[in-house]
Amino acid sequence: DVVLTQTPPTLSATIGQSVSISCRSSQSLLHSNGNTYLNWLLQRPGQPPQLLIYLVSRLESGVPNRFSGSGSGTDFTLKISGVEAEDLGVYYCVQSTHAPPTFGGGTKLELK
Amino acid sequence: EVQLVESGGGLVQPGRSMKLSCAASGFTFSSFAMAWVRQAPTKGLEWVASISYDGGNTYYRDSVKGRFTISRDNAKSSLYLQMDSLRSEDTSTYYCARTQFAYWGQGTLVTVSS
Repeated sequence: DVVLTQTPPTLSATIGQSVSISCRSSQSLLHSNGNTYLNWLLQRPGQPPQLLIYLVSRLESGVPNRFSGSGSGTDFTLKISGVEAEDLGVYYCVQSTHAPPTFGGGTKLELK
Repeated sequence: EVQLVESGGGLVQPGRSMKLSCAASGFTFSSFAMAWVRQAPTKGLEWVASISYDGGNTYYRDSVKGRFTISRDNAKSSLYLQMDSLRSEDTSTYYCARTQFAYWGQGTLVTVSS
């Protein structure tokens, strides 16, 4: 199975600060069809996960544009340009290029 | 608006069975693959099983193969997870999710304990 390693496991930020989360894959996530099925999710406390970014860098409808995704192959990054209070929670990367789909271990974003 | 609503969770004894349901609305259910994902208390997300749009193909994580069965009824826009021979390590909140994990239900808690 593909292993997704997220760093850091915990991130402390002040409101307005820009932060980045890394997701590294044990193998390339480039599918034979040319797509890279790497998504980013946010799980707020007590809530189900919600989709933020799909196909590495495409912003889900309704998600603020302070969120952005980048990367290719095995290295991916989620950036938040100016953290807001509503951004607190646990961020997960998830891949579905290779079966079975797998999730990263999560990065908890806290207020400093 | 896409909605996924899980039901059927609760407390069950080890070795017993339980069936989860997920009622979908707001999209053409029969056009999308679906999945069950679980989350043990204070832990991360773990994929459990997936099913193709027509139910013709199913996939399971190794730890539930032979014990869990995913199915769907496209006429009822519903997804199911039959869980047999439950173990304490199956204790989790179970979420149904649409393909690519774009939409999630609120989850239903399954507690396996004597």
